[in-house]
Amino acid sequence: DGGITQSPKYLFRKEGQNVTLSCEQNLNHDAMYWYRQDPGQGLRLIYYSQIVNDFQKGDIAEGYSVSREKKESFPLTVTSAQKNPTAFYLCASNSGGLTDTQYFGPGTRLTVL
Amino acid sequence: AQTVTQSQPEMSVQEAETVTLSCTYDTSESDYYLFWYKQPPSRQMILVIRQEAYKQQNATENRFSVNFQKAAKSFSLKISDSQLGDAAMYFCAYRSATFQGAQKLVFGQGTRLTINP
Repeated sequence: DGGITQSPKYLFRKEGQNVTLSCEQNLNHDAMYWYRQDPGQGLRLIYYSQIVNDFQKGDIAEGYSVSREKKESFPLTVTSAQKNPTAFYLCASNSGGLTDTQYFGPGTRLTVL
Repeated sequence: AQTVTQSQPEMSVQEAETVTLSCTYDTSESDYYLFWYKQPPSRQMILVIRQEAYKQQNATENRFSVNFQKAAKSFSLKISDSQLGDAAMYFCAYRSATFQGAQKLVFGQGTRLTINP
């Protein structure tokens, strides 16, 4: 089946540790995105990538890093510099056409203890 | 910068009745897209409906329809014949139509919809 997968579904880490969230898509989409969702708030854009080996900061990039070495994969690293990393993280992708729509993965719930 | 506002944090409706969720946005652009996404308890974001700003006709998808008022910058979602499966968080989102490639979505805060049996 075509779609976006995120792993793991739940992730627990100790404060001060870096952690990497996985996002994979087999939709042949060029563009990929990472959003963060906090309770009572909408989604906020962390990073996005239009093409392999290129990515741009979103609205809340501080404390996060990404890579885009393959078209299918866009992992997000939450570093120890992120002050409040506990949140729900959603990955999305689209083909990049002007009339295109973003589709989302199932999300990863990160809890920092 | 564009902003999206959903002024109703929570709404409830009786099963089989109609409910309208409100959304307003602020932009200086003339060409853009608007979306309603649904997030059920599974937290999977699901596209409900989209509207192109250059189209005057309101979008419709089965029981879901929008009332798009471009001059007022308003984009409400109407759900007819509400069903228990419609219970979810609903997010309004904006995207500029200026550029191809990566398309940043700007989201509202969400409205939690409860369906009463």
